[in-house]
Amino acid sequence: DGGITQSPKYLFRKEGQNVTLSCEQNLNHDAMYWYRQDPGQGLRLIYYSQIVNDFQKGDIAEGYSVSREKKESFPLTVTSAQKNPTAFYLCASSILAGGEHTQYFGPGTRLTVL
Amino acid sequence: EDQVTQSPEALRLQEGESSSLNCSYTVSGLRGLFWYRQDPGKGPEFLFTLYSAGEEKEKERLKATLTKKESFLHITAPKPEDSATYLCAVQAGGLYGGAQKLVFGQGTRLTINP
Repeated sequence: DGGITQSPKYLFRKEGQNVTLSCEQNLNHDAMYWYRQDPGQGLRLIYYSQIVNDFQKGDIAEGYSVSREKKESFPLTVTSAQKNPTAFYLCASSILAGGEHTQYFGPGTRLTVL
Repeated sequence: EDQVTQSPEALRLQEGESSSLNCSYTVSGLRGLFWYRQDPGKGPEFLFTLYSAGEEKEKERLKATLTKKESFLHITAPKPEDSATYLCAVQAGGLYGGAQKLVFGQGTRLTINP
C-alpha cells in the first residue's frame, strides 16, 4: 500500500522547544516538500529536496530545518527561532512521469504551541 | 509575482444544486494548473491537472476547465459527500534540480446540505 505517512498527527510544543515532524514515503519519488497551511491562506512552501543529501529553502524557511539522508524520509524540525509555529504542516512528494508532474500529499501534522 | 485567487471563499448548496468554483491566476508561463480536494484535518487529495486553454477533465460529478486567465471546477448534482475545501494551484517555473514550484490559492470551502 503505497503512500506518504506523517507522524505524529497532533503535536504540542512549549515555548523554546525544538520539535521534529516525520515524513516517510514509499512511492519511490525523488522530490519531497514541506508546506505550512494557516486558516484562510494558501499552502506555503518551507523546504524542498530533489535528491538525497540535497535540499533547498522555500518561501518561508526561517525558523525551520530539514535533512534528507534517505530517499524515503524528509523530516522537518521546527526550531525555537520560529516565532509563530502553530499551523498544519503538510509533506508532499512528486514524480515526473510521462510528461506529467504531480504532487501527492501526506495526512498532515497539526502543531500547537502551548 | 505569480498569484492565484479562488472565489467564492465559501459556498453552500443544496443537494443536487449544480454550481461552479473559480480559480483566477496570473503567472508568467503556465506549466500546469492543479485541483485538489481537502477534507477537514486531512491532506489534499489530487483531482486534476490541466495544461492548456480549452482543456477539460472530468471525474464523477466534477469537471475542470481552463482558459488563459482562469479555471472553473463545475460540480453537477452534488451530494453531501462532495463537501470539502477545493484548492487550486498553478505551476509556473521550476525549482532547483527539477522540483515542482506550486503556488496555491486560499481554497473554496464547499458545503452540500442534504
